[in-house]
Amino acid sequence: ELKVEQNPLFLSMQEGKNYTIYCNYSTTSDRLYWYRQDPGKSLESLFVLLSNGAVKQEGRLMASLDTKARLSTLHITAAVHDLSATYFCAVAGNQFYFGTGTSLTVIP
Amino acid sequence: DAGVIQSPRHEVTEMGQEVTLRCKPISGHNSLFWYRQTMMRGLELLIYFNNNVPIDDSGMPEDRFSAKMPNASFSTLKIQPSEPRDSAVYFCASSLDRYRPQHFGDGTRLSIL
Repeated sequence: ELKVEQNPLFLSMQEGKNYTIYCNYSTTSDRLYWYRQDPGKSLESLFVLLSNGAVKQEGRLMASLDTKARLSTLHITAAVHDLSATYFCAVAGNQFYFGTGTSLTVIP
Repeated sequence: DAGVIQSPRHEVTEMGQEVTLRCKPISGHNSLFWYRQTMMRGLELLIYFNNNVPIDDSGMPEDRFSAKMPNASFSTLKIQPSEPRDSAVYFCASSLDRYRPQHFGDGTRLSIL
């Protein structure tokens, strides 16, 4: 069974700071997804990364994929309060496997 | 464009009762997924369909759970009989194919007393 680990599980950061969330997975996969979930809400797709070295950016979020290391990162630049949410990575193997999620709180 | 529509949004019922959750995927999407989310276990894929056919149901916890997709615009997840440990938020998601990003419904918050 493919395992997907995220760290940290909880992240509290001040506005304006930068930070990175890590997503490690256990077996080969060529597709990795990042989702955002606001408290009590549904999941929203952020990025799809399809190949080694892929980088996608949207606003203050940038995601990258290293398939050789089986690692994806979600980098947050100059965090703002609106980014507070839980972020999930997901990997496509025989089926979809979601990471544990990283609960991000941005403090003013 | 309507997103994935789930009903009911909330369900509270007593242990032993049958529960049916409904999902209408986005028109044109060929893949449909049912997930369960709890604090303890996170987000778990229960089953997914491709072109209305169940492809992988290995995540279905036990025989009390069943899922159907009689046509491209409708799917159900049934629990019979329900137990308190089934309490969770159940999400339905659809995508153009199994590798595209999934669009999630608002979820059904299920409480079994």
